[in-house]
Amino acid sequence: DAGVIQSPRHEVTEMGQEVTLRCKPISGHDYLFWYRQTMMRGLELLIYFNNNVPIDDSGMPEDRFSAKMPNASFSTLKIQPSEPRDSAVYFCASSGTGTGINEQFFGPGTRLTVL
Amino acid sequence: GIQVEQSPPDLILQEGANSTLRCNFSDSVNNLQWFHQNPWGQLINLFYIPSGTKQNGRLSATTVATERYSLLYISSSQTTDSGVYFCAVCNDYKLSFGAGTTVTVRA
Repeated sequence: DAGVIQSPRHEVTEMGQEVTLRCKPISGHDYLFWYRQTMMRGLELLIYFNNNVPIDDSGMPEDRFSAKMPNASFSTLKIQPSEPRDSAVYFCASSGTGTGINEQFFGPGTRLTVL
Repeated sequence: GIQVEQSPPDLILQEGANSTLRCNFSDSVNNLQWFHQNPWGQLINLFYIPSGTKQNGRLSATTVATERYSLLYISSSQTTDSGVYFCAVCNDYKLSFGAGTTVTVRA
């Protein structure tokens, strides 16, 4: 089975530009999570969805960040406008609760550099 | 939020050595996961272990939920075991990560 797929793997952009990160969860999973990893703050949850509905976005740093999940197989995380402090690795993860086990599986991450 | 503390922060091992990594957490949790972040940055699932003991090859883990800690054992370490090991606890579907233990295995 394919794991969680993220694109792009690397993104370099200039301050002020819009950045869109993409994620395809594992087929059949009903939860999708966006995390960010930085040296200063470690791994932190930004937002998560259940059945395509945002449940908790309390980790989203500010209004410049937005996330959508238009269908069960696709989600985006958008930053507009981007700033150098947004440079980080962004991970998408998914989990399926059908078996009663809520184990999360992570994608390879998108390394974002904002110049 | 839940506090997750991992120890030690760094560990240097000679190939073939055994080691124990510890994870303490501050509150009751629904489940706990151990991950290995390899040098390429990928987060690899090691264990889903809300309680009890599990083994997978040279790795094993034990979680004592009532005492709010988990242990990860690495036996006969290999250079490919190098990387960062994260403990993450789950409450209301949200994972809270520890700061990780950086393991370096020398040949």
